Amino acid sequence: EPEVTQTPSHQVTQMGQEVILRCVPISNHLYFYWYRQILGQKVEFLVSFYNNEISEKSEIFDDQFSVERPDGSNFTLKIRSTKLEDSAMYFCASTKTLATNEKLFFGSGTQLSVL
Amino acid sequence: AQTVTQSQPEMSVQEAETVTLSCTYDTSENNYYLFWYKQPPSRQMILVIRQEAYKQQNATENRFSVNFQKAAKSFSLKISDSQLGDTAMYFCALGLSSNYQLIWGAGTKLIIKP
Repeated sequence: EPEVTQTPSHQVTQMGQEVILRCVPISNHLYFYWYRQILGQKVEFLVSFYNNEISEKSEIFDDQFSVERPDGSNFTLKIRSTKLEDSAMYFCASTKTLATNEKLFFGSGTQLSVL
Repeated sequence: AQTVTQSQPEMSVQEAETVTLSCTYDTSENNYYLFWYKQPPSRQMILVIRQEAYKQQNATENRFSVNFQKAAKSFSLKISDSQLGDTAMYFCALGLSSNYQLIWGAGTKLIIKP
């Protein structure tokens, strides 16, 4: 089965530093998502991306966050100045269409630790 | 606003037993779909089963089946003949037909004992 690939699997950074989390969605997929899961808490939607622009974003996705699809294969999430509360598992996901029989594929996640 | 509630933080059963995980949700939308995702210790999110709201028939996938009660807004997951590899966090999620901005429950930790 095709896979969504996320790198790195773990990222440790100092508070205030910028981080970029990388994702390679499945090649023929058109819709891309970032979710995060703070340890012990619910999974939260961050942002969806289609046709090279953000289609939806949550309240969490403030000015510190940005997404980009720089080269047609990678899909990145950048956090400009990390805070302690940004520590979480970040999941990338992709799907081909929004048809109800389509499956949303998740990557294995990047565990971000902000010290 | 949409919400998903999983009222069982943790459950544990013996191997080969049947277990049912509860999920209730709230939405004013008519077109939506519901998911159960499994998250093993590796923390990858794996789709277990999905149900479209417009379908009356309950979805099944091998040992996994759901009891979808639309009027009651209930979507429980039944795991038959449970196996040690079923040990994981199980998340119920609600998605609207227009996007995959999924709303997630808090999860149920399922432990299968040998």
